[in-house]
Formats: sequence, C-alpha cells, structure tokens
Amino acid sequence: DVKVTQSSRYLVKRTGEKVFLECVQDMDHENMFWYRQDPGLGLRLIYFSYDVKMKEKGDIPEGYSVSREKKERFSLILESASTNQTSMYLCASSLGSREHYEQYFGPGTRLTVT
Amino acid sequence: AQTVTQSQPEMSVQEAETVTLSCTYDTSESDYYLFWYKQPPSRQMILVIRQEAYKQQNATENRFSVNFQKAAKSFSLKISDSQLGDAAMYFCAYRSAGNQFYFGTGTSLTVIP
Repeated sequence: DVKVTQSSRYLVKRTGEKVFLECVQDMDHENMFWYRQDPGLGLRLIYFSYDVKMKEKGDIPEGYSVSREKKERFSLILESASTNQTSMYLCASSLGSREHYEQYFGPGTRLTVT
Repeated sequence: AQTVTQSQPEMSVQEAETVTLSCTYDTSESDYYLFWYKQPPSRQMILVIRQEAYKQQNATENRFSVNFQKAAKSFSLKISDSQLGDAAMYFCAYRSAGNQFYFGTGTSLTVIP
C-alpha cells in the first residue's frame, strides 16, 4: 500500500514564525502536491512538483514556498506565519503515468497560528 | 482553470437506503479523469471511485457507482445500501490532462441508523 506521511498531525505556531511542514511518500511517486483545506472551500492547491527540484505554483501560492530535494520528500514552508494561514494542510502524491493517476493523501496537519 | 461544483453541502440518508451526491464540472478538455474521494471524520482522505472521460461505461466499485454524463459535464456518486461507515465528507475531483487536480467544496454525508 502507498503510504504518505506528514511530520505532524497538529501544530501551533506564533505569528511571524517560520514553519516547516514535511511530507514523505514511500512509493517512488513522481508527483507531489500540497493543499490547504478550509470549510466551505474544499481543497485548494498551493504548490505541486513533478520531479526533484521542480515546483509549480498552484492556485494559492502566496505566503508559501516549497522544497523538493529528494523524490520522496516534499516540504511546505511558511516563511512568516500569519493567522490567515490557520488551516488543515494535506499532502498528496501520485504516479506520473496515465494508467496510475489518482492521488494518495497523507493524514493532514492541522496548523494553528496564534 | 477548471471548476468543480458540488451543490449539496450536506446530505443525509437512512441506513440501508440509497443516496446520490451531485457533482458538475466545467472544462474545455476532452481527455480528463474524475474521482470521488471520501474523508471520514479525523481520518485520511481515500479514493472511492474513478472514471476516465474516454470511457462511456459508468464505473462501479461494490456499493458505489457513478452516473457520468460527459455532455452535461455531470458526475454523480450513488451509494447503495448505505452503512454507518459511509458517513464522511465526499469530494468530487477533476484531473486535467496536465495532471492538475481540482476539487469541489465537498458534501457532508450523514447516515442515520
């Protein structure tokens, strides 16, 4: 089974702190994604990556950056956390082939910025 | 960008009954994929069912089936013989040919014993 893990289930940070959220997948997937999930808004894509050291902006990249130094690991960085970044953050991964295209999700990190 | 619309924020169903969750999408692509994901309370999001746009036959996975109407851009999920474990948030998702995913806002399903 595909396993996607996230470094923390719950995180509380102060405004202005630098925050790192880490995601690791164990199935050699090419593609990795970061979403935030808010009630009534569904999942919104922050960034995604098709390969090591490659990244693409999603729909809401402002205030975030990402890093993918190894294929299995995709990090989301909040350079200076703000209260409007309080949310559930979901990481996902998928293979790049046409035949295997669904996303596999991690358990999520609930981030609270005070 | 593609949009995915789930017009039912909340639905409820009696245990053992059938319920249909609605999803519509907007796209100009002809080659794409559609999914329904389930997110139980405080648990991981999992795939329920997938549909390739080039396939006319509706996908089925045990008690879950879809009604895919390509011309109408509609992709509804039918859950038969509903069980308590089906209670969850359900998300409709669209995957473009460029491998970008778009999600609806979700439908919260309650199963009444």
